[in-house]
Formats: sequence, C-alpha cells, structure tokens
Amino acid sequence: KQEVTQIPAALSVPEGENLVLNCSFTDSAIYNLQWFRQDPGKGLTSLLLIQSSQREQTSGRLNASLDKSSGRSTLYIAASQPGDSATYLCAVWDDYKLSFGAGTTVTVRA
Amino acid sequence: GAGVSQTPSNKVTEKGKYVELRCDPISGHTALYWYRQSLGQGPEFLIYFQGTGAADDSGLPNDRFFAVRPEGSVSTLKIQRTERGDSAVYLCASSFGTLTDTQYFGPGTRLTVL
Repeated sequence: KQEVTQIPAALSVPEGENLVLNCSFTDSAIYNLQWFRQDPGKGLTSLLLIQSSQREQTSGRLNASLDKSSGRSTLYIAASQPGDSATYLCAVWDDYKLSFGAGTTVTVRA
Repeated sequence: GAGVSQTPSNKVTEKGKYVELRCDPISGHTALYWYRQSLGQGPEFLIYFQGTGAADDSGLPNDRFFAVRPEGSVSTLKIQRTERGDSAVYLCASSFGTLTDTQYFGPGTRLTVL
C-alpha cells in the first residue's frame, strides 16, 4: 500500500519568505503526483499536477519537482503572502485512486 | 460552469441512525469518486464510479457503507447504523474519466455522529 508522508506538519513564516514543502512516498511506480490546497471548511483546489514522465511543473509563484527514484516531491512557493495560508496536500496517483499525505498547514504572517 | 456540489454541508446524527450524503458532479463528467477525510488526515479513497457502475469499492470500510449512482450523474453515499468513528468530512470528486484527467473536488459534507 502506498504511504505518503508530508513534512513538516505545520509551518509559520513571515510574509515574503519562500516556502518549501516536502512530500515522500513509498512506491515509486506512481502514475502522477498532484499538489492541492485546502482552506478551512472548503474542498480541495488543484495547484499542480506532475505526470510521471515529468520532473517539474510551474505555475506563477509555484514550482513542484518530482524525483520518482527517491520517492520525493517538493513544492516551492516564492515570496509568500498571507493569502497563501492554507493546508497543502500532496497526492500520489495509483491509476484513478489518489493516496494523500496528511498535509502541511502553512501560516504566512503579515 | 458549476463545480461539484455536495449536500448537506453539515450533518449531525445520533449513533445508530442512517444517513445519506449527496454529490452532484460537474456536468459531463463520467467518473465520480468518494473520499473520507478524518480530522488531521488526508482524504482516503472510498469508491470510484465510471458511469452508473461502481468500478472499485475497495475503500469502503465495511458493509454499513454503500453508494449508488443510478443515472450516471448524481451519487448518494449511504451509511447505515452510524458509529462515532464515522465522523469525518466526506468529499466527492468528479473527472472526465480517463486516467490522466484531474479530479475536481466538492466542498465536502461534515458528518458528526454523536
């Protein structure tokens, strides 16, 4: 069974600092990897999806890398803003099933 | 267009009662998924529908849980004889249906079993 771990569980940074969120998974035979954002009481918003043949994906201030051989992905958020405060979830695709980590809760202090 | 909607947004019930949770997927999406998110955890897969049929129900925790999608659109997750351990946020997602399609999530139903 795929196990997905996210470290740290929580992170607090001052506005403007870069964020680095880590995700590790146990089975490297993954299909895709996806990063989501979850705001309190809300559903999941997809941020970036990295297909298994790709090494990274970028969208605006967000960049996600994928290293299947080591079972790791990293989400970078540049120049953080208070609006980036949320829980960030990493999900590994096993065909159509998503296996999620427990998330990293980020607080960006103004 | 409208996203995935779920009703109710909150449901409080007593132990032993029966509950139904509804999911309206994005129009045209053939695939529908249910996940359960316990406090402090990531969502866990419950069941996957392709059209009207349950293609994979391996994540359902026991036979108290059942889901239907009779017309290939709206889905209902049914929980019999609820237990306190069933308390969680139940998330629904839909996609166009191929293995490469992003799943779009609804806001979830928060179920509390007293």
